[in-house]
Amino acid sequence: DGGITQSPKYLFRKEGQNVTLSCEQNLNHDAMYWYRQDPGQGLRLIYYSQIVNDFQKGDIAEGYSVSREKKESFPLTVTSAQKNPTAFYLCASSAPGGGGGNEQFFGPGTRLTVL
Amino acid sequence: AQRVTQPEKLLSVFKGAPVELKCNYSYSGSPELFWYVQYSRQRLQLLLRHISRESIKGFTADLNKGETSFHLKKPFAQEEDSAMYYCALARYSGGGADGLTFGKGTHLIIQP
Repeated sequence: DGGITQSPKYLFRKEGQNVTLSCEQNLNHDAMYWYRQDPGQGLRLIYYSQIVNDFQKGDIAEGYSVSREKKESFPLTVTSAQKNPTAFYLCASSAPGGGGGNEQFFGPGTRLTVL
Repeated sequence: AQRVTQPEKLLSVFKGAPVELKCNYSYSGSPELFWYVQYSRQRLQLLLRHISRESIKGFTADLNKGETSFHLKKPFAQEEDSAMYYCALARYSGGGADGLTFGKGTHLIIQP
């Protein structure tokens, strides 16, 4: 089952710690995205990247950071500045060009809990 | 700012009954809309997109620009349709898509 993988599946963090969520894809997609899913809130866009070495803030980027050094990888760091980090995090990618009409493929998600 | 509204958090219908999941959007440009579905213990996946004008698993959705709606419909619900459904609108700036704006989702339950 290739496509998009996220690790770990569950992650626990103490307050004040930074933590990095992994997202890898083998679909040769140019565009990659990070969303946050909260109960009753739907998905909200954190960051996105249309090409390697470039990324843009989404609607709720505060307290998060990303990098895009390789086409296949788009890790998300949840920093201690994020006030309410406990959530389910979803990574997605879309076909070359990242056109709006293209399907986004989602990973299985990482559930982050701050203790 | 663009927005997607799904007014129903929960929709429960009996097997064989018609289903309509409502979606309204707010967007100044020409919209590209999608329905995504998340079955229990599965990944979020695309159900259909308005530009394809296709029927998937018996579901259809028509874009109504006058009413700014993209409601999802199925004439006869099946138990396997029980899932979380999200309506989504493509975000644009410059040359490429900048992710999706999602509604809050509707939990569809099909009762036997």
